[in-house]
Amino acid sequence: DAKTTQPPSMDCAEGRAANLPCNHSTISGNEYVYWYRQIHSQGPQYIIHGLKNNETNEMASLIITEDRKSSTLILPHATLRDTAVYYCIVGMNSGNTPLVFGKGTRLSVIA
Amino acid sequence: DVKVTQSSRYLVKRTGEKVFLECVQDMDHENMFWYRQDPGLGLRLIYFSYDVKMKEKGDIPEGYSVSREKKERFSLILESASTNQTSMYLCASSLSLYDRTSGNTIYFGEGSWLTVV
Repeated sequence: DAKTTQPPSMDCAEGRAANLPCNHSTISGNEYVYWYRQIHSQGPQYIIHGLKNNETNEMASLIITEDRKSSTLILPHATLRDTAVYYCIVGMNSGNTPLVFGKGTRLSVIA
Repeated sequence: DVKVTQSSRYLVKRTGEKVFLECVQDMDHENMFWYRQDPGLGLRLIYFSYDVKMKEKGDIPEGYSVSREKKERFSLILESASTNQTSMYLCASSLSLYDRTSGNTIYFGEGSWLTVV
């Protein structure tokens, strides 16, 4: 079973920041937080991952709370092409345990 | 860029047929995965492999088998296709589950839509 809780859907106005929350209250000390997204009819795409520090790359920023029980993925200037299902996953960065995908959040970016 | 290629984007097969879904990755990744995705159920792991000739069952292995004879290729086999195997199948790979910088970052193919009639 997925170890994360995400809202099933969210809307965001084009050009605004999209903040996607994720709860992972049972995360263990050596588990990472991963974010993927899946645009309709395509395979999921890796976005970002982190352990405890905030992370930023060309796609998004990841903010992890100090207690690591929740995180937020931030798309700073959402575009229509960011409309997708966003998956928050916790898992090990090593070992023989594949990531488990939940149902994610369906983000709709509205013009 | 990592490329995971699935051989067929759309397939229609008859009940009882043996079906092969092929997947190739070009980045020398050690791990490969097969998922299926159905509306309302999300992605579910069927099988994965962390080395050549190695395989591990995922959450829903029943009715499927896999083959990994070469590092770059991972095949999903439906021995006798049934209508409840109509789904989108996704192949994925990751570098190494023992690489601490990016070990569990998974790269997906575009998916294969299988319809069993």
